[in-house]
Amino acid sequence: DGGITQSPKYLFRKEGQNVTLSCEQNLNHDAMYWYRQDPGQGLRLIYYSQIVNDFQKGDIAEGYSVSREKKESFPLTVTSAQKNPTAFYLCASSIDLQYSPLHFGNGTRLTVT
Amino acid sequence: GQQLNQSPQSMFIQEGEDVSMNCTSSSIFNTWLWYKQDPGEGPVLLIALYKAGELTSNGRLTAQFGITRKDSFLNISASIPSDVGIYFCAGQGMNYGGSQGNLIFGKGTKLSVKP
Repeated sequence: DGGITQSPKYLFRKEGQNVTLSCEQNLNHDAMYWYRQDPGQGLRLIYYSQIVNDFQKGDIAEGYSVSREKKESFPLTVTSAQKNPTAFYLCASSIDLQYSPLHFGNGTRLTVT
Repeated sequence: GQQLNQSPQSMFIQEGEDVSMNCTSSSIFNTWLWYKQDPGEGPVLLIALYKAGELTSNGRLTAQFGITRKDSFLNISASIPSDVGIYFCAGQGMNYGGSQGNLIFGKGTKLSVKP
């Protein structure tokens, strides 16, 4: 079955450490996205990518970095510069950047202490 | 910037009741999407709306794209326990060529169903 796989489901890190969240899709989608979700909040866009080797900052990109070396993969690194990294992170993909709906992975819950 | 107001924030209903929730904005949107999120999972697309006035059903769910392009509602008929979750609306603005880099999410409606 096609889908989006995020790993790990739960991640714990010490403050000051960088951490990378994995996102892989086998839907053959061109566009991929990273969102952050905090309790009682809507989803906020961190980064998005339309094609391989290209990505754009979203609304809250500070303290995060991404890469898009392969169409299937869009890893997100939460750096030590991110002031409030504890959150639920959602990866999504869509056929293109225009009007096709987003399909989401099941998320990674990151806890930084 | 563009914002979505989603209401109500939460709902507690009896099994079998109908549910209605809506999203409004001061800005015009060209796409409305409705998602459901179960605890600890990613949102799942329920209904996508692309034209003003469009009314679309998916089983017991019905959603409409408002005529003014500034609002959308979602109705759930005859609710059942598995309807429990958080429902999000999302709107895609018109100002940036329709890029989903500008997809904006409401803060969600948390639905609880009493058997």
